[in-house]
Amino acid sequence: EAGVTQSPTHLIKTRGQQATLRCSPISGHTSVYWYQQALGLGLQFLLWYDEGEERNRGNFPPRFSGRQFPNYSSELNVNALELEDSALYLCASSGGDSSNEQFFGPGTRLTVL
Amino acid sequence: GDSVTQMEGPVTLSEEAFLTINCTYTATGYPSLFWYVQYPGEGLQLLLKATKADDKGSNKGFEATYRKETTSFHLEKGSVQVSDSAVYFCALSGPNYGQNFVFGPGTRLSVLP
Repeated sequence: EAGVTQSPTHLIKTRGQQATLRCSPISGHTSVYWYQQALGLGLQFLLWYDEGEERNRGNFPPRFSGRQFPNYSSELNVNALELEDSALYLCASSGGDSSNEQFFGPGTRLTVL
Repeated sequence: GDSVTQMEGPVTLSEEAFLTINCTYTATGYPSLFWYVQYPGEGLQLLLKATKADDKGSNKGFEATYRKETTSFHLEKGSVQVSDSAVYFCALSGPNYGQNFVFGPGTRLSVLP
């Protein structure tokens, strides 16, 4: 069974640009979560999508947004990039028999120059 | 709100030493508790979990027992190896399906040969 996949692996942008990160959940999972892990810091919850709708949002500005598609894959968009947005962005999925367990992807390393 | 507190480290041990990483939580209801591990340059992997009081999760020589009376879920291993060097995160998820996880700050473990 394929795990959670994320693309791209690395992304380099300049300040003010937009970044789009993608996540495909495990087959059968309907929930997707996004986390930000800045260097030296723990995981900060960003967004939770389930069945195509945003269910919860962390303490981040509106320029962090996303969506979930009918096939349950998800995009995270970050507009007007700032230097401090440089981080590892982790996606996780849950659902099915393991509904209270999250499975993580390898992450996308975003660097803002 | 729900929260997780864990020793932040870094923790440095010699190979074959005994490991304890403390984790305590605050939560309403009866959360599920997890330990995740993040090896250098990778995403998070589930190490073990416990879903109710007195449950013991175990994997790869690591153990943790869900102690409701002390609201704790301490991670232990009897004899660590160099390959155990990683960051360890304690986390909880709410009793309702799909609630986002609350993670502790992570504990960096370095095991020296």
